[in-house]
Amino acid sequence: GDSVTQMEGPVTLSEEAFLTINCTYTATGYPSLFWYVQYPGEGLQLLLKATKADDKGSNKGFEATYRKETTSFHLEKGSVQVSDSAVYFCALRAMDTGRRALTFGSGTRLQVQP
Amino acid sequence: EAQVTQNPRYLITVTGKKLTVTCSQNMNHEYMSWYRQDPGLGLRQIYYSMNVEVTDKGDVPEGYKVSRKEKRNFPLILESPSPNQTSLYFCASSLKGGSGTDTQYFGPGTRLTVL
Repeated sequence: GDSVTQMEGPVTLSEEAFLTINCTYTATGYPSLFWYVQYPGEGLQLLLKATKADDKGSNKGFEATYRKETTSFHLEKGSVQVSDSAVYFCALRAMDTGRRALTFGSGTRLQVQP
Repeated sequence: EAQVTQNPRYLITVTGKKLTVTCSQNMNHEYMSWYRQDPGLGLRQIYYSMNVEVTDKGDVPEGYKVSRKEKRNFPLILESPSPNQTSLYFCASSLKGGSGTDTQYFGPGTRLTVL
């Protein structure tokens, strides 16, 4: 079945550091890939998405590129801020399942220190 | 404002006492879904609905029921809650169930504790 693997956290960085959160997936066909962010006490918000190979999703300074050859969708940001502290979820949505469910990774907590 | 709302946000109950968590969306979305979030497991789908009167099981449906009588509402029912259903629950919706590229929009979550 489909699966998403994320690096375990927490990831602790100083403000203005470079961020990478690794995400790899297993799926049949060509899934759509998503990064969601969950701020403390809140629901999930879509951060960015990519729907086909080599697409780059970007939002709020975050970027991720859909790499079919390595089945990866790593999240990057050049300079993190304290306000980026949250839990980040990588997810995929397969094209060939009727459920159209999102398959989530376990989440990576990011802590940014001033 | 386009949104998915859930009620209640927090609930503490006892084993066996039936409860309902409501979910409503104002975006005229066809697809709605319930997930539960548990530490280290990410989110797992409980039930989903492709449209009114069309519902089906997700990955972890045991102990839950749903209904979809109206397009905007998708309540989650726990007929006889047990402690292993203590979790954080999210409702989500997207425009069309048939497209894998649609964005799913999530509600704020309901934290349920079953004693």
